[in-house]
Amino acid sequence: GDSVTQMEGPVTLSEEAFLTINCTYTATGYPSLFWYVQYPGEGLQLLLKATKADDKGSNKGFEATYRKETTSFHLEKGSVQVSDSAVYFCALRGSGRALTFGSGTRLQVQP
Amino acid sequence: DTAVSQTPKYLVTQMGNDKSIKCEQNLGHDTMYWYKQDSKKFLKIMFSYNNKELIINETVPNRFSPKSPDKAHLNLHINSLELGDSAVYFCASSQRDGGPYEQYFGPGTRLTVT
Repeated sequence: GDSVTQMEGPVTLSEEAFLTINCTYTATGYPSLFWYVQYPGEGLQLLLKATKADDKGSNKGFEATYRKETTSFHLEKGSVQVSDSAVYFCALRGSGRALTFGSGTRLQVQP
Repeated sequence: DTAVSQTPKYLVTQMGNDKSIKCEQNLGHDTMYWYKQDSKKFLKIMFSYNNKELIINETVPNRFSPKSPDKAHLNLHINSLELGDSAVYFCASSQRDGGPYEQYFGPGTRLTVT
């Protein structure tokens, strides 16, 4: 079945540092890939998505590229802010109808 | 304007009780979902309805019963609550079933069973 593997957190960075959160997936066919963010006490919000190989999703300075050859969708940001502190979820939607989520990675950004 | 709303936000109850969580979306979407998030933040699909028809029914105890009175509402009823039911339950909706359609999530309902 479909699965998503994310790097374990927490990831602790200083403000303006470079961020990478690794995400790899297993799925049949050509899944759509997503990054969701969950701020403390809130629901999940879509951060970005990519629907085919080599697509790059981007939003709010975050980027991720759909790499079919390495089955990866790593999240990056060049300069993080304290307000980026949250839990980040990688997810895919393959042949199934619902999203399959990774386990989430908590990011803590210190001033 | 709230896109996906859930009530209540917090629910504290005793073992053995029956409770319901309500979800409404004002986006005009066809498909709605219930997810469970455990204490380690892991999210797992429970149910999905498309145009009031059940299309996903994962391995969930039959104490959990979803009900969709119309396309904009998907409620979750839980009978005989157990300690292990304590979690955050998220409702979500998407324009269509499957494919690249993103899902919009509600704020969650934190259920605590004592």
